[in-house]
Amino acid sequence: KAGVTQTPRYLIKTRGQQVTLSCSPISGHRSVSWYQQTPGQGLQFLFEYFSETQRNKGNFPGRFSGRQFSNSRSEMNVSTLELGDSALYLCASSLPSGSGRAYNEQFFGPGTRLTVL
Amino acid sequence: KNEVEQSPQNLTAQEGEFITINCSYSVGISALHWLQQHPGGGIVSLFMLSSGKKKHGRLIATINIQEKHSSLHITASHPRDSAVYICACGWDTDKLIFGTGTRLQVFP
Repeated sequence: KAGVTQTPRYLIKTRGQQVTLSCSPISGHRSVSWYQQTPGQGLQFLFEYFSETQRNKGNFPGRFSGRQFSNSRSEMNVSTLELGDSALYLCASSLPSGSGRAYNEQFFGPGTRLTVL
Repeated sequence: KNEVEQSPQNLTAQEGEFITINCSYSVGISALHWLQQHPGGGIVSLFMLSSGKKKHGRLIATINIQEKHSSLHITASHPRDSAVYICACGWDTDKLIFGTGTRLQVFP
């Protein structure tokens, strides 16, 4: 089974531009979560999607948005890029968890390293 | 507030040593993950625990729900174990809160 794939792997943008990152989950996985990793803040949760619906959102400004398609593939978008948005963006897929049920293992993609100049 | 604390931040060891990394959390969780991240960024899930103990090769993970504490042990450490080990906690959904990570270096 193919793992989680993310495209592009590396990206260089300038301040003020916008960027779209893509994540393809493992086949059969319906939940996709996005995370940002920076040297200063470590790993932080961005958002989580299940069945094309955002189930959870982290504490990030509205410039960060995402969506999930019917085939479970997900994209995240960052508008009006700032220098501080330079980070490794990771997505992870899992089978869905739900209230009262066992939590599911997450499988991480290789990440997209975004550099904002 | 859901918080995850991890210790130590940095750890050096000689090959063959027994290693322990600790993780504490503030609020009852659905599951706790131990993750491994090598230079270059890729993250691998090592364990997911909601109770008790799990073992995979030289790695052992334990969790004490009452004390809100988990440990990751590496027996007979090897230089290839050098990586950052991250503890992450989940509550009911796939949202994870992460510890700050432990950077492990194992020298031959």
